[in-house]
Amino acid sequence: DTEVTQTPKHLVMGMTNKKSLKCEQHMGHRAMYWYKQKAKKPPELMFVYSYEKLSINESVPSRFSPECPNSSLLNLHLHALQPEDSALYLCASSQETQWSNQPQHFGDGTRLSIL
Amino acid sequence: QKEVEQNSGPLSVPEGAIASLNCTYSDRGSQSFFWYRQYSGKSPELIMFIYSNGDKEDGRFTAQLNKASQYVSLLIRDSQPSDSATYLCAVNKGANSKLTFGKGITLSVRP
Repeated sequence: DTEVTQTPKHLVMGMTNKKSLKCEQHMGHRAMYWYKQKAKKPPELMFVYSYEKLSINESVPSRFSPECPNSSLLNLHLHALQPEDSALYLCASSQETQWSNQPQHFGDGTRLSIL
Repeated sequence: QKEVEQNSGPLSVPEGAIASLNCTYSDRGSQSFFWYRQYSGKSPELIMFIYSNGDKEDGRFTAQLNKASQYVSLLIRDSQPSDSATYLCAVNKGANSKLTFGKGITLSVRP
């Protein structure tokens, strides 16, 4: 079990649906991340939040919309996704982003399938 | 040259042997180095991290960093079948803690 909790574990949605992925951590970390991972590939960074502010957007399409309501929660809102968006979506957290030696801890991920 | 490169796998070792996983990086300004283990269908799990030259040991795992040669390695002693997984090397260049991952190497430990 990880200290970063992601829900749901699995999600199947149509291309016209709107859904949200949720991530929660109670380690007092102030940096949170969204990654996308396709089969047999390494994780690809999507967004970084530092102290609840978006600090990095890796040119992610607008059909993915992140939100950080407070220091413990991170959401990823999904709308009008494409079949190629099917992947494992990983949330991670670390103490702070300004200290580069802080490890990132991953949640179990949400496996997303777009029909 | 890719930013982070790992040996192409898969790597197969017998149970009880030492597994040696290597990783090279291109940016001399890289500051921190991480090894993650990922079982099939699961999320990455942090195994070791290192940011000073030399060795760092934790149980059966030893991370080695040589900044002059720009490589980092992970040694797994007394390999067990449960160590069979994909191992990801990740490098942090500093600002905003953006991790750059290698492609990963799949380790298989034969009973």
